[in-house]
Amino acid sequence: DQQVKQNSPSLSVQEGRISILNCDYTNSMFDYFLWYKKYPAEGPTFLISISSIKDKNEDGRFTVFLNKSAKHLSLHIVPSQPGDSAVYFCAASGGGSQGNLIFGKGTKLSVKP
Amino acid sequence: EPEVTQTPSHQVTQMGQEVILRCVPISNHLYFYWYRQILGQKVEFLVSFYNNEISEKSEIFDDQFSVERPDGSNFTLKIRSTKLEDSAMYFCASTRDANTEAFFGQGTRLTVV
Repeated sequence: DQQVKQNSPSLSVQEGRISILNCDYTNSMFDYFLWYKKYPAEGPTFLISISSIKDKNEDGRFTVFLNKSAKHLSLHIVPSQPGDSAVYFCAASGGGSQGNLIFGKGTKLSVKP
Repeated sequence: EPEVTQTPSHQVTQMGQEVILRCVPISNHLYFYWYRQILGQKVEFLVSFYNNEISEKSEIFDDQFSVERPDGSNFTLKIRSTKLEDSAMYFCASTRDANTEAFFGQGTRLTVV
């Protein structure tokens, strides 16, 4: 039972363009959402998060949008850079400790120069 | 920048043997977690630990698994009798409190032969 779904296993984008990574969730109890970036042989690195009381959070080139009615969130990276190439994981948690994260399967982003 | 550190980076063990994976969480963090990622699959929550006791565990975390905080800095995951299917990357994570993002270590690659 996938509570957090990332339906695109991969995404390829040209340098300078916008990268949009999508994530859907099924559990309406989730109230905190995070995006992590992961390089091979490394642990996930926190990128950006959003609470369910907001619909947008921005940090530099990264913006996360949350649509609660659609149970959908997205990560926008603009402009995309070759160094952004990595696997991006969407994660969610509900109530209690925000560290009990449910991860999606990840989307591999490739940014081409 | 403070970070979560894990040792060893790679552990090879024979089926049926006990292994202990070690983690040093960020020093002022209070919540600790173990996750695992089987090759090609998503990152999965195993267990969370707060105030010297398990606060939540997944169905993966059966009687073969245990966690301990033996002193003020280390957080360990023990697998009592390893199975081939325990082969995975194991990630330790910590959070400062219940409502902040989790920081992950670099992971320990466990290979059971």
